[in-house]
Amino acid sequence: GDSVTQMEGPVTLSEEAFLTINCTYTATGYPSLFWYVQYPGEGLQLLLKATKADDKGSNKGFEATYRKETTSFHLEKGSVQVSDSAVYFCALTLMYSSASKIIFGSGTRLSIRP
Amino acid sequence: GAVVSQHPSRVICKSGTSVKIECRSLDFQATTMFWYRQFPKQSLMLMATSNEGSKATYEQGVEKDKFLINHASLTLSTLTVTSAHPEDSSFYICSAPKDYEQYFGPGTRLTVT
Repeated sequence: GDSVTQMEGPVTLSEEAFLTINCTYTATGYPSLFWYVQYPGEGLQLLLKATKADDKGSNKGFEATYRKETTSFHLEKGSVQVSDSAVYFCALTLMYSSASKIIFGSGTRLSIRP
Repeated sequence: GAVVSQHPSRVICKSGTSVKIECRSLDFQATTMFWYRQFPKQSLMLMATSNEGSKATYEQGVEKDKFLINHASLTLSTLTVTSAHPEDSSFYICSAPKDYEQYFGPGTRLTVT
């Protein structure tokens, strides 16, 4: 079935380090891909998205490119900050509409040391 | 943006009792809302789709008689865990769509003793 696999955490980095969180997916159709972020004590927020192959989503210095050939959507940031400490979820939906179900990865906890 | 709230944020109940969790879209209307369950260090698992004015749609393996969902208005959906048991202890999250984006509530931590 359709699924999302992302690297297990926790990931601990020093401030200004380069970040990569790997995400791969399995889908029967052509999914839209998302990264959500959950800051401590808050609900999930959409960080970025890509709706077709080769699209690059970006927001707040984070980027991810929809790679159909490798079925991947890795999250990257060139220089992380303490404020980026959160749990990051990779996700997909098969139909980009308001009523679409979202399939989530297991989440990766990121901690940034000052 | 859009805001979704959940109440309560935490609840502790005794085994055999029922607990109601509310999900509200504060500044927009939602004919559909989604309920998820999250176990520690695991992903969010979709439990059911709540539909205003009609019955909820449950995912495979979710007991509809145990997890009662009522979408009473365009801004409110409730999840009632009936006859709760310790294995129902979990983190429950709702979401509501607006303009093709999903907006998530902050979650409710349920502990059944």
